[in-house]
Amino acid sequence: EDQVTQSPEALRLQEGESSSLNCSYTVSGLRGLFWYRQDPGKGPEFLFTLYSAGEEKEKERLKATLTKKESFLHITAPKPEDSATYLCAAFSGTYKYIFGTGTRLKVLA
Amino acid sequence: NAGVMQNPRHLVRRRGQEARLRCSPMKGHSHVYWYRQLPEEGLKFMVYLQKENIIDESGMPKERFSAEFPKEGPSILRIQQVVRGDSAAYFCASSPGGRTGELFFGEGSRLTVL
Repeated sequence: EDQVTQSPEALRLQEGESSSLNCSYTVSGLRGLFWYRQDPGKGPEFLFTLYSAGEEKEKERLKATLTKKESFLHITAPKPEDSATYLCAAFSGTYKYIFGTGTRLKVLA
Repeated sequence: NAGVMQNPRHLVRRRGQEARLRCSPMKGHSHVYWYRQLPEEGLKFMVYLQKENIIDESGMPKERFSAEFPKEGPSILRIQQVVRGDSAAYFCASSPGGRTGELFFGEGSRLTVL
């Protein structure tokens, strides 16, 4: 069964304390791995798409990487405004998007 | 703004009433998804539609819930005879389709059933 697991469920960081969020997937025929940011009361905001193992994408303090079994979202020197829930989703190329339950990130000033 | 538009953003209904949630996909997108989210929980797939067709409604309760995406106009998620357990945020997302289609979300419709 296709599955996406995110860890940790919640993470508290001090401002400037770099860390990584994990997204492990078991999806046959992965076509794309997506990362989203969701703020309270808002819809998920698209961040990155990764299509093949070894690929990396960067945006400001965020960098997403992909292997054959997992993806990481690295956060370098985070700021309080990076506090949000980060979701990943695997796309198998038909129409199904398998979402993880997210990592709730809190960055303390 | 060519993003996914949902309305209403907030909807309050009494038990037994009907709720209609509307979603206009991004320009050029013909694939629409509806998800439900409870507080502190993940996104739960409900239904996937293309223009005039329901492709997969496996995540939607068979009773009281229906969805459509007509040739003209927005996609509509309809909940009849709402109950308190229907209170949640309902998100619409659209995709251009294809093998690597990215999925873009609206801001959601928050339904409260009194």
